[in-house]
Amino acid sequence: NAGVTQTPKFQVLKTGQSMTLQCAQDMNHNSMYWYRQDPGMGLRLIYYSASEGTTDKGEVPNGYNVSRLNKREFSLRLESAAPSQTSVYFCASSEWARQVDTIYFGEGSWLTVV
Amino acid sequence: AQSVAQPEDQVNVAEGNPLTVKCTYSVSGNPYLFWYVQYPNRGLQFLLKYITGDNLVKGSYGFEAEFNKSQTSFHLKKPSALVSDSALYFCAVRDVRRYGGSQGNLIFGKGTKLSVKP
Repeated sequence: NAGVTQTPKFQVLKTGQSMTLQCAQDMNHNSMYWYRQDPGMGLRLIYYSASEGTTDKGEVPNGYNVSRLNKREFSLRLESAAPSQTSVYFCASSEWARQVDTIYFGEGSWLTVV
Repeated sequence: AQSVAQPEDQVNVAEGNPLTVKCTYSVSGNPYLFWYVQYPNRGLQFLLKYITGDNLVKGSYGFEAEFNKSQTSFHLKKPSALVSDSALYFCAVRDVRRYGGSQGNLIFGKGTKLSVKP
């Protein structure tokens, strides 16, 4: 009954370093998302994948890349981390990217860039 | 532009009293509305959603929400608050645009911190 699992939970990076956040879901969902959460700003969409084999930019895609590895997995990569990318990152999934579909979230990854 | 507003940064309630967390929205077309709860250092947990039909939606943990189309509101309610309900609550609306980086996206309010005192 894992739902959406993301790793790592916590990470500290130096400016300019790269890293990949991993995400997997076991609900057989077709659509997956990456959000970031910053204090007082709610959650903002970085990238999403409406179905396996497709990815699209969200509201704040700059500085990130994504890979939909297969139906279960959707990774987020920071190629050259910047302090502005210090945030909490949430992976999420839904059956499809329809308006009626509920989006389910992982537990979050706390990233600090120094 | 579509948006969600949560006018209160914090709501304080005594245990056993009813609670209301307010949410108003602005969308073109029919709204698809959601409430999530976030406990400290945890992910967002889905509480309930309004798609169509009955204006009173019942969800998890005894929460319910009332959809009011004329007031464009979707307030979260609970008849009797528990200390364990203390958390951050987010209202969200599903983006109705189909392209341009928005398909299926949720637009979130900034969140309301609920504090329930014993």
